[in-house]
Amino acid sequence: EAGVTQFPSHSVIEKGQTVTLRCDPISGHDNLYWYRRVMGKEIKFLLHFVKESKQDESGMPNNRFLAERTGGTYSTLKVQPAELEDSGVYFCASSSFTDTEAFFGQGTRLTVV
Amino acid sequence: GENVEQHPSTLSVQEGDSAVIKCTYSDSASNYFPWYKQELGKRPQLIIDIRSNVGEKKDQRIAVTLNKTAKHFSLHITETQPEDSAVYFCAAISRPTDSWGKLQFGAGTQVVVTP
Repeated sequence: EAGVTQFPSHSVIEKGQTVTLRCDPISGHDNLYWYRRVMGKEIKFLLHFVKESKQDESGMPNNRFLAERTGGTYSTLKVQPAELEDSGVYFCASSSFTDTEAFFGQGTRLTVV
Repeated sequence: GENVEQHPSTLSVQEGDSAVIKCTYSDSASNYFPWYKQELGKRPQLIIDIRSNVGEKKDQRIAVTLNKTAKHFSLHITETQPEDSAVYFCAAISRPTDSWGKLQFGAGTQVVVTP
């Protein structure tokens, strides 16, 4: 089966610009998560979708981050305007309700200069 | 909320030796502890997990132990091989009735296996 795919794999943008990251979860997975790893630190939870609804967005850093999940399929994470501290690797993961395992995408490495 | 600490941050071992990574967690309600391996340029992948009703679990050369009283769990890799070189992350779930995916991760351990 196809895994979780993320696009783009890398993005370099200037401070103040906007970037949109995309995640396609495994087909049939209702749970979709966004995580971020900054500067070699821990992978931190950002938010959780169940289908198209935001179940938990307690990890979102601030209102410059906006996540959507259209029709309960793919998800986008938009950062607007980007700041230097937003640099890091953004991971998406998905899981089903019947399985404990969260499957990760390869991540998007975001660099804000 | 849950806080997971992981040690060491880097670990260099000779091929064939054992490697041990230790994690502690803060929330006594946590009941699921997965370990993820991330090879260079690849996605994090689950390699083993343990639930709070089990003290130890083994899968070939890897094993995980859990001490609920002390709130720590460890990953053991025996007979290490070069392909074991990767970053290893421990994680814990602090809300057992919620979806499993909201993981609290440790900071990761860079394991280097030298031939």
